[in-house]
Parts: sequence; structure tokens; C-alpha cells
Amino acid sequence: GENVEQHPSTLSVQEGDSAVIKCTYSDSASNYFPWYKQELGKRPQLIIDIRSNVGEKKDQRIAVTLNKTAKHFSLHITETQPEDSAVYFCAASIWSDYKLSFGAGTTVTVRA
Amino acid sequence: DGGITQSPKYLFRKEGQNVTLSCEQNLNHDAMYWYRQDPGQGLRLIYYSQIVNDFQKGDIAEGYSVSREKKESFPLTVTSAQKNPTAFYLCASRSSGSNQPQHFGDGTRLSIL
Repeated sequence: GENVEQHPSTLSVQEGDSAVIKCTYSDSASNYFPWYKQELGKRPQLIIDIRSNVGEKKDQRIAVTLNKTAKHFSLHITETQPEDSAVYFCAASIWSDYKLSFGAGTTVTVRA
Repeated sequence: DGGITQSPKYLFRKEGQNVTLSCEQNLNHDAMYWYRQDPGQGLRLIYYSQIVNDFQKGDIAEGYSVSREKKESFPLTVTSAQKNPTAFYLCASRSSGSNQPQHFGDGTRLSIL
């Protein structure tokens, strides 16, 4: 099955700086890569996703890049704010069944 | 994601007892999923269903059972065979259309008495 690895496990950044989280996946058939943000005790919320026919996608301060050859994808958060503090999960799946395989998560702390 | 309702929010299980977690959605989504989340780990897939009256095992199905008798409901039973059930359980659903992401409920936290 699919194996998704996520790094780093924790990330502390100064407010206004950028944060980058990286994930690798093992199954070359995977073609859908969402990112979820989870605040303490709450549900994961989809923040951005990318499909394998796209190399980069941006939504305001959040961007995701995908390198299918190397089988890795990354989340970039620019101009970080305290409300960006949360656990971020990457995931991968095949379109046909959307069985998501999740990374272990990155705890992001934005220091004011 | 107010259309996905999980209940109860907290649940306690005694030794040897089966407990059932409820997941209801009013989004008319075809596919539904159950995940388990342990501290410091990602979500792991327990069971999923892409259509009524059909479901498949995920990566950690042992000790769990599900049913999908109605489109809007996908209950998860944690059986006594699951020796380490303490975790946060998340239900998700998704429309069957292409490019549709999974959306999650608020979760149920299960603990052992």
C-alpha cells in the first residue's frame, strides 16, 4: 500500500516568516495530494489540494508543489500568522477510490 | 462541514463491551470513511464505503465492523476484539464526482474505563 512520510514533525517559525513542510510517497499511481489543517481537538480541514497533472497550486498565502518524478510534494505558507499554528497533514491517494494515506503530521507553532 | 455529524463526542468502553459510533451526513455524499487518530500519528483508514450496501476494509480493520444500509449513515462498531481502542475516531464523506475532496466530522473520542 501507499506509504507517506512527512517532515519535519515539529516546526517553529517567527511570525511573518515562511514555513515549509515536505512529504514523500511510495506509490507512483497516486495522483491526488490534499493538505489538511487540524487545530487541537477539532476536525481536519482541507486547506489545499493538488492533482498530478499540475505542478504547483497557490491560494493566497498557501502554495503546494508536486514533483511526480521524485514522488514528493510540499506545502509552503508565507507571511505566517499566529492563527496558522496547528497540525498539518499531507495525504496521497488514487482518484478511483480516494483512499487517503496520511503522513504523521507536522505541528507548526508561529511565535509572535 | 456542518453536514457530517458524529456522536457521541466522548465515549467510554468497558472491558469486553462492543460500542457503536454514529456518523450521519446530509450532504448526499456517496462515499464515507472511518479513520482512527492516535497522538502524534496521522489518520489511519479503518473502513470505507463507496456505495450503499457495500464497504471495504482499510489498513486497520481488525476489531472493527461497519454497515452501510442507508446512504446517509455509516456506523462503526468497536468490538471487544479491538484490544487498544482508545483513540480519536473521525468519519469523513465525499461526493462521487471527480475532483471532490473528503470532508470530516468533529470526531468521537473513545476511552477505556
